[in-house]
Amino acid sequence: GENVEQHPSTLSVQEGDSAVIKCTYSDSASNYFPWYKQELGKRPQLIIDIRSNVGEKKDQRIAVTLNKTAKHFSLHITETQPEDSAVYFCAASRTNAGKSTFGDGTTLTVKP
Amino acid sequence: GAVVSQHPSWVICKSGTSVKIECRSLDFQATTMFWYRQFPKQSLMLMATSNEGSKATYEQGVEKDKFLINHASLTLSTLTVTSAHPEDSSFYICSAYSGSTPQYNEQFFGPGTRLTVL
Repeated sequence: GENVEQHPSTLSVQEGDSAVIKCTYSDSASNYFPWYKQELGKRPQLIIDIRSNVGEKKDQRIAVTLNKTAKHFSLHITETQPEDSAVYFCAASRTNAGKSTFGDGTTLTVKP
Repeated sequence: GAVVSQHPSWVICKSGTSVKIECRSLDFQATTMFWYRQFPKQSLMLMATSNEGSKATYEQGVEKDKFLINHASLTLSTLTVTSAHPEDSSFYICSAYSGSTPQYNEQFFGPGTRLTVL
């Protein structure tokens, strides 16, 4: 089955700095890679996703890059703000399968 | 985006009792729903895939007789934790996807149910 590894497990940055979280996956058939933000006690919220036919996607301060050959994808957050503090999960799944495998999560702390 | 609700949001029960958790898609039909379990400061662990009109598919290591799943309609799936024990205490989250492109892979998560077994 699919195995997703996520690094780092914790990340602390100063407000205004950039944050990068990296994930690797094992199943070459995976072709959908979402990123979720989860605040304490709440549901995961999709913040950005990328499909395997795209190498990069950007939405304001958030971007995701995908390297299919190396089987890794990364989340980039620029100009971080305290409200970006949360746990971030990456995931991987195959089209039409729906089932996602999640990384272990990264706790991001943005210090004011 | 689509809305998924869960009920109850939290429940406390005595050891040995059964607890039913409902997951509803409010504004779309969900052919497939997923049930996850999340321990504090840990990732989401997929327990089972619930398919409308057929038996659920359980992940390895998940006891199907312990965690009963019923997907009776295109908008409702239920998870029943039978004979609950303290080790079943956890945060249970459901998700759903409608199967329609281009959102085919996007999962919409419920708010979660905090189960505490005394």
